[in-house]
Amino acid sequence: RKEVEQDPGPFNVPEGATVAFNCTYSNSASQSFFWYRQDCRKEPKLLMSVYSSGNEDGRFTAQLNRASQYISLLIRDSKLSDSATYLCVAHQETSGSRLTFGEGTQLTVNP
Amino acid sequence: DGGITQSPKYLFRKEGQNVTLSCEQNLNHDAMYWYRQDPGQGLRLIYYSQIVNDFQKGDIAEGYSVSREKKESFPLTVTSAQKNPTAFYLCASSWDKIGYTFGSGTRLTVV
Repeated sequence: RKEVEQDPGPFNVPEGATVAFNCTYSNSASQSFFWYRQDCRKEPKLLMSVYSSGNEDGRFTAQLNRASQYISLLIRDSKLSDSATYLCVAHQETSGSRLTFGEGTQLTVNP
Repeated sequence: DGGITQSPKYLFRKEGQNVTLSCEQNLNHDAMYWYRQDPGQGLRLIYYSQIVNDFQKGDIAEGYSVSREKKESFPLTVTSAQKNPTAFYLCASSWDKIGYTFGSGTRLTVV
């Protein structure tokens, strides 16, 4: 089983739609979680951290459920510029302190 | 401006050759990482270094070697022992082992 698993995608949505990405992690020792965005043929860039209390940044909302080992990302009022691959990421201090990446979910927002 | 620089952007390797990918950062970060990404897949950790003159194997270290003689530099050598080296290689650095800054990547192709 992969340490971080995401919705396989791809997602194709119209502009203005709300889209949700789901992610689960298997290592209960994981301490911190993030969503990264990766544009085609570019490096990943941090979108937002994920906290147990849930956090919001504009149109983006991230949630963490430690009991279920589940992470989500909600994008409201999607824009054409949101088209990218979204990577779910977990940090484990016990594994040499490094990030483990999911395979990513590709999103295409259509006009 | 501070940042992390990878070179070259594109690299072509003949069968049986060793090639070295450069990664330089001027962010004064202690930790540096090398990841490999194959099409449609997430990032997999090759090697990482948390301090000068020390480094550890990641999940897919076979066929690769690294050095960390200076804080600013973490070159990756892809040896002839790496049977399937064609991939997108990403270098990252971090000051807190959690917040990563990525370079723009090197695309390696075997010809």
